Amino acid sequence: DIVMTQGALPNPVPSGESASITCRSSKSLVYKDGKTYLNWFLQRPGQSPQLLTYWTSTRASGVSERFSGSGSGTYFTLKISRVRAEDAGVYYCQQVREYPLTFGSGTKLEIK
Amino acid sequence: EVQLVESGGGLVKPGSSLKLSCVASGFTFSSYGMHWIRQAPKKGLEWIALIYYDSSNKYYADSVKGRFTISRDNSKNTLYLEMNSLRSEDTAMYYCANAFTDWGQGVMVTVSS
Repeated sequence: DIVMTQGALPNPVPSGESASITCRSSKSLVYKDGKTYLNWFLQRPGQSPQLLTYWTSTRASGVSERFSGSGSGTYFTLKISRVRAEDAGVYYCQQVREYPLTFGSGTKLEIK
Repeated sequence: EVQLVESGGGLVKPGSSLKLSCVASGFTFSSYGMHWIRQAPKKGLEWIALIYYDSSNKYYADSVKGRFTISRDNSKNTLYLEMNSLRSEDTAMYYCANAFTDWGQGVMVTVSS
């Protein structure tokens, strides 16, 4: 199985600052079609997860431009610019390159 | 508006069975693969199963393979998860999702004696 390892954040992050979350996979997430199958989600307290980005860097419908995904192969980053109180929650990366699909353990973002 | 509504959860004893449902609306259900994902209390997300749009393929996490069965009825816009031989470690909030774009609110399953 592909293991997803997420980094921690130096919480709390001051409102208006930027935050970057890292995610490493134990195997390349590049598929034969050339796409890299890495998703990012945000789960706010008491809510269901929300898809933020897919194919590493494509924002999901309605997601703010303040969220930007990047990376390749086995190393990925989600950058949140000008953080706001509504960005607080737990962020998960997920590989959808092969079954079983696997998530990282989550990275908590607290806003000051 | 896309809606996914799970039901069928509850408190059950170890070794028993339970069947979850997820009713979909607001999109063409029969065109999409559907997933079940669970989250144990205070823990992270765990993907557990996928069924293709036409039921031609199904995939499972090792933790549930052989005990859980995913199925769907496209005529009823409904996704199912049949859970057998339940264990305490299956205690979790269970979510259905449409290609991870849309998620239900979740249904709680508690396995305890």
